[in-house]
Amino acid sequence: KQEVTQIPAALSVPEGENLVLNCSFTDSAIYNLQWFRQDPGKGLTSLLLIQSSQREQTSGRLNASLDKSSGRSTLYIAASQPGDSATYLCAGLNYGQNFVFGPGTRLSVLP
Amino acid sequence: EAQVTQNPRYLITVTGKKLTVTCSQNMNHEYMSWYRQDPGLGLRQIYYSMNVEVTDKGDVPEGYKVSRKEKRNFPLILESPSPNQTSLYFCASSRQGENSPLHFGNGTRLTVT
Repeated sequence: KQEVTQIPAALSVPEGENLVLNCSFTDSAIYNLQWFRQDPGKGLTSLLLIQSSQREQTSGRLNASLDKSSGRSTLYIAASQPGDSATYLCAGLNYGQNFVFGPGTRLSVLP
Repeated sequence: EAQVTQNPRYLITVTGKKLTVTCSQNMNHEYMSWYRQDPGLGLRQIYYSMNVEVTDKGDVPEGYKVSRKEKRNFPLILESPSPNQTSLYFCASSRQGENSPLHFGNGTRLTVT
């Protein structure tokens, strides 16, 4: 059964720092890997999607990589801003169309 | 505007009183699913549907029912709610295929007393 973990569970950084969030999954047979952002009391917003055949995706200050052989994905946030404060979740889509989510990393960017 | 709409946003009910949480999407997505989010347990899938009249159990289906009579709607039914179903519920949808991001509704916070 697929299990997804995220490290660290929480992170607090000063504004302007570059940071890396980590996601690990146990079953490499995933269809895609998605990163989401969740603000308190809100739904999840899709940030980046990496297909199983891809290695990375970029959107603005965000870059996500995928290494299926090691079961890892990273989300890189450049020049962090207070507006980036949120919980970031990764999710793997299994071939059975079952999404498995990690527990999330709670990020605080201090002004 | 492309969106997934859940109703209600907040619901307080008593044990045993049947309730339905509605979910509707306007993007013609084939795939729809329900999740519950609990502190320390993260997001867990309840049920999902690959298309009309096709539904499957997720990781935590006990105590829930779903139906998919139309492509746009995927209601979640609690026939006899219990306090352990107090949670934050999310509906989501996507197109089929590996290049399709998952779109979420804003959530329904359910309290069962």
